[in-house]
Amino acid sequence: AQSVTQPDIHITVSEGASLELRCNYSYGATPYLFWYVQSPGQGLQLLLKYFSGDTLVQGIKGFEAEFKRSQSSFNLRKPSVHWSDAAEYFCAVGAYQAGTALIFGKGTTLSVSS
Amino acid sequence: GAVVSQHPSWVICKSGTSVKIECRSLDFQATTMFWYRQFPKQSLMLMATSNEGSKATYEQGVEKDKFLINHASLTLSTLTVTSAHPEDSSFYICSAPDRDTEAFFGQGTRLTVV
Repeated sequence: AQSVTQPDIHITVSEGASLELRCNYSYGATPYLFWYVQSPGQGLQLLLKYFSGDTLVQGIKGFEAEFKRSQSSFNLRKPSVHWSDAAEYFCAVGAYQAGTALIFGKGTTLSVSS
Repeated sequence: GAVVSQHPSWVICKSGTSVKIECRSLDFQATTMFWYRQFPKQSLMLMATSNEGSKATYEQGVEKDKFLINHASLTLSTLTVTSAHPEDSSFYICSAPDRDTEAFFGQGTRLTVV
């Protein structure tokens, strides 16, 4: 079955500390992976995506993610968290094929403490 | 990046009335768009795939007659919630593929049925 697992429902990080959000996937075809961020009452903003090539992907707002095929993981990282990073983060997987919707994880809520 | 515009951002309607939500791709053409529903603190659940010039494809359990989808042009898909009831209150989000992959989302519509 195709699925995305985000093991951490809620994470609290001190401002300035590093962050890693975990994402594991199960997908039958070659996966294309995404991380989105959602602020309360807002739509989803694409942070980064991985299709192929370099397994370390750089995104916006200082985020990066590393694709590890052997571990079926696509963890999101940021070296130094800012208070404005507090939001809901979703990992998603899809196929590089028109007409194929993404499968989302349940999301991780990030809180940032001062 | 590509821009997907969704309107309205929020709407309150009386029980029994219908509400139309628009999803536009502003700077690219989208033969396919996706409609999601998101309950509070939950992930996105795919409702239907909107196909330009043909009928939408609904996910299992989604009522076709209640959630009418029309994809009349390559830049516009609409979702009409017919005979809305309080249980239809939710956050609805559309997305459109950028080239061959789904990556960009609208801002979402908060529907409240009273």
